[in-house]
Amino acid sequence: GAGVSQSPRYKVAKRGQDVALRCDPISGHVSLFWYQQALGQGPEFLTYFQNEAQLDKSGLPSDRFFAERPEGSVSTLKIQRTQQEDSAVYLCASSPGGGSGTEAFFGQGTRLTVV
Amino acid sequence: AQSVTQLDSQVPVFEEAPVELRCNYSSSVSVYLFWYVQYPNQGLQLLLKYLSGSTLVKGINGFEAEFNKSQTSFHLRKPSVHISDTAEYFCAVRKQRAGNNRKLIWGLGTSLAVNP
Repeated sequence: GAGVSQSPRYKVAKRGQDVALRCDPISGHVSLFWYQQALGQGPEFLTYFQNEAQLDKSGLPSDRFFAERPEGSVSTLKIQRTQQEDSAVYLCASSPGGGSGTEAFFGQGTRLTVV
Repeated sequence: AQSVTQLDSQVPVFEEAPVELRCNYSSSVSVYLFWYVQYPNQGLQLLLKYLSGSTLVKGINGFEAEFNKSQTSFHLRKPSVHISDTAEYFCAVRKQRAGNNRKLIWGLGTSLAVNP
């Protein structure tokens, strides 16, 4: 597609439910990032993939958060046993290569509300 | 570690007036600097970036920013704003020699409201 696509756009989950958020990066993009953006805040880094390898997961807030990118394209962010503090917009971004200066292209995000 | 401070959470301005959105950063290593814009219900879009070279960087939609290493600042400016510039603006940095640490560190954002 023309840009980074995330689905669903909105998700309401009951506390304790598991959720899966999908990211389709721009075709051919090597790098993929997940960020969490709480209301009124800037994005916070969660994890980074280069192709299928998860090279940095230092931002994942707990072991309830898990991300994968098995074939080096589509990525899924899974949150187990959701809590109210998980309510946020989850942003996915991709970039063409591994260079540090290359631009990251963002999707529209998935707004997760835990009730 | 790196950190980013956006000095104004909200900036109201009249249409066709100039605007400056302020960004300061802290880092013990060299960084790249970015400004992103987020329109309502849309994803983050890159406005401009500083990688190296000229400290005055021009971006899309008439925006520009100046990198000031001594003051560790990267303020965003536009000489004449339009109603359509109303949005949230984010300043971000990333380590130049990142290795596997390629994450962007973000400020809290500045809400620009352009009034007629």
